[in-house]
Amino acid sequence: DGGITQSPKYLFRKEGQNVTLSCEQNLNHDAMYWYRQDPGQGLRLIYYSQIVNDFQKGDIAEGYSVSREKKESFPLTVTSAQKNPTAFYLCASRSGGGGLGETQYFGPGTRLLVL
Amino acid sequence: SQQGEEDPQALSIQEGENATMNCSYKTSINNLQWYRQNSGRGLVHLILIRSNEREKHSGRLRVTLDTSKKSSSLLITASRAADTASYFCATTEYGNKLVFGAGTILRVKS
Repeated sequence: DGGITQSPKYLFRKEGQNVTLSCEQNLNHDAMYWYRQDPGQGLRLIYYSQIVNDFQKGDIAEGYSVSREKKESFPLTVTSAQKNPTAFYLCASRSGGGGLGETQYFGPGTRLLVL
Repeated sequence: SQQGEEDPQALSIQEGENATMNCSYKTSINNLQWYRQNSGRGLVHLILIRSNEREKHSGRLRVTLDTSKKSSSLLITASRAADTASYFCATTEYGNKLVFGAGTILRVKS
């Protein structure tokens, strides 16, 4: 069953704590993305990776970090430097070829809440 | 920054009616895509239209693109309650990333 999985579905963060959101895909896609979605708004790009061991900052990278050690996995860490982390986080992937803007496939999302 | 702006922000119709959503953007684009998001879920790709195309169909969906007016429309014909969702347009400038609008919330009443 191919697709993108994100875990956990809900995540609670305490003040000053780093938390890591998981994103895994078995679509054999080269590119992967992390977006943040706030209520009533569109998606904003946090980080993206076009190949293993390489990633680029998006529009709102401050307070976040990523790694891309495996093609299938692109975890996102929300660090204590991110002062307003409460949001819905979406991971996406895209097959190789074409430009950065070709069709993306999304995971089900992780909702991060601050305690 | 947001490239696409959807209109209206919210739309409520009866089942069986057609729903039309519009998207305007600011710069030259390579392609424009429409996505659907059910409440609390991920986005699902609906359709992609390239800058050299004017109209595209997929089942009950019809998308038009007017590059001279920098606008696109998504028409859902014979709407169903299951079409209730948020709809986003996303644009790509040449060789650049996807930029999403704020979305249109569609409610189809049965």
